[in-house]
Amino acid sequence: DIQMTQSPSALSASVGDRVTITCRASQSIGRRLAWYQQKPGQAPKLLVHEASTLESGVPSTFSGSGSGTEFTLTISSLQPDDFSTYYCQQYTNYPYTFGQGTKLEIK
Amino acid sequence: EVQLVESGGGLVQPGGSLRLSCAASGFTFSSYVISWVRQAPGKGLEWVSIISASGGSRFYADSVKGRFTISRDNSKNTVFLQMNSLRVEDTALYYCAKRIDTSDFGALDYWGQGTLATVSS
Repeated sequence: DIQMTQSPSALSASVGDRVTITCRASQSIGRRLAWYQQKPGQAPKLLVHEASTLESGVPSTFSGSGSGTEFTLTISSLQPDDFSTYYCQQYTNYPYTFGQGTKLEIK
Repeated sequence: EVQLVESGGGLVQPGGSLRLSCAASGFTFSSYVISWVRQAPGKGLEWVSIISASGGSRFYADSVKGRFTISRDNSKNTVFLQMNSLRVEDTALYYCAKRIDTSDFGALDYWGQGTLATVSS
């Protein structure tokens, strides 16, 4: 199975900050990586797929990059609504696997 | 509007069974792969199973293989997850989700709100 490792597990930041979350795969997954945002009590929401394709309606302050085994999700200017938990997921091989999550909190 | 609505969760004793349903609307159901993902209380997301558009291909996480069975009824726009030999560690909110497109690989773009399965004596 492909292991997905996110870092950091938790992050404190302020409104307006630029933050980056990293996701590493245990083997190459090409660009078959997605990023999801989950708020408490809600289902996950797809933000980015194919490593860098922004889903419709997602603010342009979000961006994804990477290929192979290393990927990043960057929020260029944090907004109050962005404080959530973020997960990466590979979908190149079954079983699909998720990272353990990164909880983004207000400083 | 795409909608996925899960049902069938509940409280069951270890060793028991539950059958979850995922009713879909707002898209051509028979053309899309559907997946189940679960989330234990306070924990992260865990992929559980996936079924092809026709129902002919099915895959499972190792943690549920041999105990869970995914199926679909395209005439009723519904996917099922039959969960047998349930364990305490299967306690989770179970989400169904639709693949983003009809290609061989893809992220999950629409999710239901989940149904809670609790395994406890």
